[in-house]
Amino acid sequence: QQQVKQSPQSLIVQKGGISIINCAYENTAFDYFPWYQQFPGKGPALLIAIRPDVSEKKEGRFTISFNKSAKQFSLHIMDSQPGDSATYFCAASGPAAGNKLTFGGGTRVLVKP
Amino acid sequence: DAGITQSPRHKVTETGTPVTLRCHQTENHRYMYWYRQDPGHGLRLIHYSYGVKDTDKGEVSDGYSVSRSKTEDFLLTLESATSSQTSVYFCAIRGTGHPLIRGYTFGSGTRLTVV
Repeated sequence: QQQVKQSPQSLIVQKGGISIINCAYENTAFDYFPWYQQFPGKGPALLIAIRPDVSEKKEGRFTISFNKSAKQFSLHIMDSQPGDSATYFCAASGPAAGNKLTFGGGTRVLVKP
Repeated sequence: DAGITQSPRHKVTETGTPVTLRCHQTENHRYMYWYRQDPGHGLRLIHYSYGVKDTDKGEVSDGYSVSRSKTEDFLLTLESATSSQTSVYFCAIRGTGHPLIRGYTFGSGTRLTVV
């Protein structure tokens, strides 16, 4: 069973536009929600992360929005740039699960110039 | 990649042969993980280690075994490779403390093809 569901699978956005990726989780014991960015031929790299005691976290053009009651969180990429073209993964973990990360299925983002 | 190295980077092997992938870290981190990445499935945990000789199964552990005889090395073995194990394998490390403080660091991956 997939404990973290991610959508959409792929996304095309024009340069300067907003990319939005959504994730939903099932395990209410999760307490850490990171987003990873992966370029072709590379391993995933931590982009931004949030804990459920805050509803939003912003780092530069990247923002996580978190809705604890709905068990959903999303990544917004503002002013999308061609260099943002990559695959993005949401993930979740919690102490009850040994802090092991459970990943969503990934979203391939293409930013057109 | 921040003190974590995977080898080999690419490997083609025949069905039924044993294969060992190596993950080496220079960070002295306690936790090490093996994930496989397949389209549409994201990354799925195979096995993980929380110390020397301390390992446990992940969600897709069938057909895989691991060993950790030293802090710096975590080996993943496919006892008898099958075509369904064709994938990209990633190793990750994490220090102690909450992941928000000590996030995961991933290696560059091993692309394994079983023919």
